[in-house]
Amino acid sequence: NAGVTQTPKFRILKIGQSMTLQCAQDMNHNYMYWYRQDPGMGLKLIYYSVGAGITDKGEVPNGYNVSRSTTEDFPLRLELAAPSQTSVYFCASSYSQGARDTQYFGPGTRLTVL
Amino acid sequence: RKEVEQDPGPFNVPEGATVAFNCTYSNSASQSFFWYRQDCRKEPKLLMSVYSSGNEDGRFTAQLNRASQYISLLIRDSKLSDSATYLCVVNEPGSARQLTFGSGTQLTVLP
Repeated sequence: NAGVTQTPKFRILKIGQSMTLQCAQDMNHNYMYWYRQDPGMGLKLIYYSVGAGITDKGEVPNGYNVSRSTTEDFPLRLELAAPSQTSVYFCASSYSQGARDTQYFGPGTRLTVL
Repeated sequence: RKEVEQDPGPFNVPEGATVAFNCTYSNSASQSFFWYRQDCRKEPKLLMSVYSSGNEDGRFTAQLNRASQYISLLIRDSKLSDSATYLCVVNEPGSARQLTFGSGTQLTVLP
């Protein structure tokens, strides 16, 4: 199993540009998540999904959109990129809603908006 | 007050030392607690879950004190490979698998 994969690894955007961060998992997990991590800070939840066709906002959803058309894929869309969106973005997945269920993270996408 | 608070460190300890990290959380209804490890410029990975009775995994011991709302992680006989940032993670009750992450405690084990 590849686990959770993310592309691209790095990206530089100009202010106002748009892009999609890709995330895929091959563990047949129902739950998927997008986080951002700013330097020296904890992870903040952007959006999450409990299954194909179902998404919901997390703590910091403004400026982002998601879709979940399949169990495997959970892309994150940035519209009109702003410098405040410079961060490291992690995608994660977990099998169920069990209280002790582990979240598995992808390697991250480092995004810089100039 | 932050929802999950950790001493950011850095903790610089010699090989073989014992080091302890503490974490406090604000939501008394939280029920699941974890320690994740994050290496420099890498993704977080689960180190261990924290159970009410305390639990041990090799050189690592996790404790939970619900009354005081704090969690601890003890690392014995530190290895160079233990150098990383340790994230305290607490679940968000009533929501679908939402976890709140502390900002992490940085550990460097020195030769």
